[in-house]
Amino acid sequence: QVQLVQSGAEMKKPGSSVKVSCKTSGGTFSSYTISWVRQAPGQGLEWMGRIIPIFGIPNYAQKFQGRLTITADKSTDTAYMELSSLRSEDTAVYYCARGGPTGTDFWGQGTLVTVSS
Amino acid sequence: DIQMTQSPSSLSASVGDRVTITCRASQGIRNDLGWYQQKPGKAPKRLIYAASSLQSGVPSRFSGSGSGTEFTLTISNLQPEDFATYYCLQHNTYLSFGQGTKVEIK
Repeated sequence: QVQLVQSGAEMKKPGSSVKVSCKTSGGTFSSYTISWVRQAPGQGLEWMGRIIPIFGIPNYAQKFQGRLTITADKSTDTAYMELSSLRSEDTAVYYCARGGPTGTDFWGQGTLVTVSS
Repeated sequence: DIQMTQSPSSLSASVGDRVTITCRASQGIRNDLGWYQQKPGKAPKRLIYAASSLQSGVPSRFSGSGSGTEFTLTISNLQPEDFATYYCLQHNTYLSFGQGTKVEIK
């Protein structure tokens, strides 16, 4: 059974950075993409970027270029999302999700990141 | 970037109704589209993949159709547990979501 388990909730100050982890199990980590998606309170889903662990090369949505870093550790089957220069508008639930030939199939449970002074 | 336009943004329906939600892609995406259901506080759950294939374990009252730029999710015989928000998601080029459709009880 494929599982994506994310790290816990974070409370951050404006201007700081946050790093969220996503540990996968039950599948072949390197063969799939791992995307990061966020959802602000009461809003829709927004794709942030992705990585294909076997290649290690990330792709980012233009909105997050320069502030977002996605990495993958093949030795632990874990992906990471780091967002810097946080502002209040970054308060959201952040999800990791696995993508394959048929699309995005499994999701992490979500990580609430709250940005507040 | 591929834009996904989903409609309606919300709808009210009764148990037993048939409901249709539409997504339009800004360019052709073949059948690289899925439909997802999200309930408050939960991660999205995939209902349909490859535009029209039913995800294992999902009730057959959910169906999808379309290809290219026009896609539809239909829920026949709406059940109480189906009141939720639904999203389309294309994976032809990176990912992009529709804006969501909230299905509420009439």
